[in-house]
Amino acid sequence: DAKTTQPTSMDCAEGRAANLPCNHSTISGNEYVYWYRQIHSQGPQYIIHGLKNNETNEMASLIITEDRKSSTLILPHATLRDTAVYYCIVRVSGGGADGLTFGKGTHLIIQP
Amino acid sequence: SQTIHQWPATLVQPVGSPLSLECTVEGTSNPNLYWYRQAAGRGLQLLFYSVGIGQISSEVPQNLSASRSQDRQFILSSKKLLLSDSGFYLCAWRLAGADKNIQYFGAGTRLSVL
Repeated sequence: DAKTTQPTSMDCAEGRAANLPCNHSTISGNEYVYWYRQIHSQGPQYIIHGLKNNETNEMASLIITEDRKSSTLILPHATLRDTAVYYCIVRVSGGGADGLTFGKGTHLIIQP
Repeated sequence: SQTIHQWPATLVQPVGSPLSLECTVEGTSNPNLYWYRQAAGRGLQLLFYSVGIGQISSEVPQNLSASRSQDRQFILSSKKLLLSDSGFYLCAWRLAGADKNIQYFGAGTRLSVL
C-alpha cells in the first residue's frame, strides 16, 4: 500500500467547511483512497473512498487531483461532533483479506 | 442490517491473569474478521485477521492469540497478561471478497493491566 502524509492537526470553525489534505505521491494506478475517522474512545468509521473521480456522499466529499498524488476530504458544514482523528488510507480495492494500515491521521478540532 | 458487538467495554486485569475478549457479528455470513489494538497515544495496529472458521493470520508476534470456532464470533485471548498488553482493542468485520475495502468497527474494549 502506498504511504500517505497528513497534517498532524487542524482547526475549523463550526459551520464552516473543513478541508483535510492527504498526500499519496506513490499511489499506484489500481489503488483507491479511503477515508476513515475515529471519534475519541470509539472505533473508526468509514467515510468515503474514490479512485480518480470526485466522490460525494451524505457525510463528505472527496476531491482527488488529476495526477492522483493528493486528495482532500471536505466536510461541508462542520459540527462539533466532527471533532475526530481522520485517517487517509491508500489501498488496492478488493485485494487480500488483510487489515488496513492506519497512520497517525489528522486530529481535526471543530471550534464553537 | 449488520451489527458488531464487543464486550466488555472496559476491563481491569492484574498482570499474569488470563484474558478473553469476545466479538460477534450479526446480519452477515462468513465475514472477514479483525482484531486491532491501539496503545495510548498511538495508532491502530492490526493484530489478527480471519477469513473463515479456524483460519487465523497473525500480524505481529505477541502475548496474544485469536480463535474463530463459529462463523461470526472472534475471540482474543491471553494466558498471562503483561503490562504492555494495556490498550484499546477493536474488532472489525468486512464482507468477504468484497470489492471495497470497507471495514466496520465495534465500540472497542479498553483494557488496563495493572
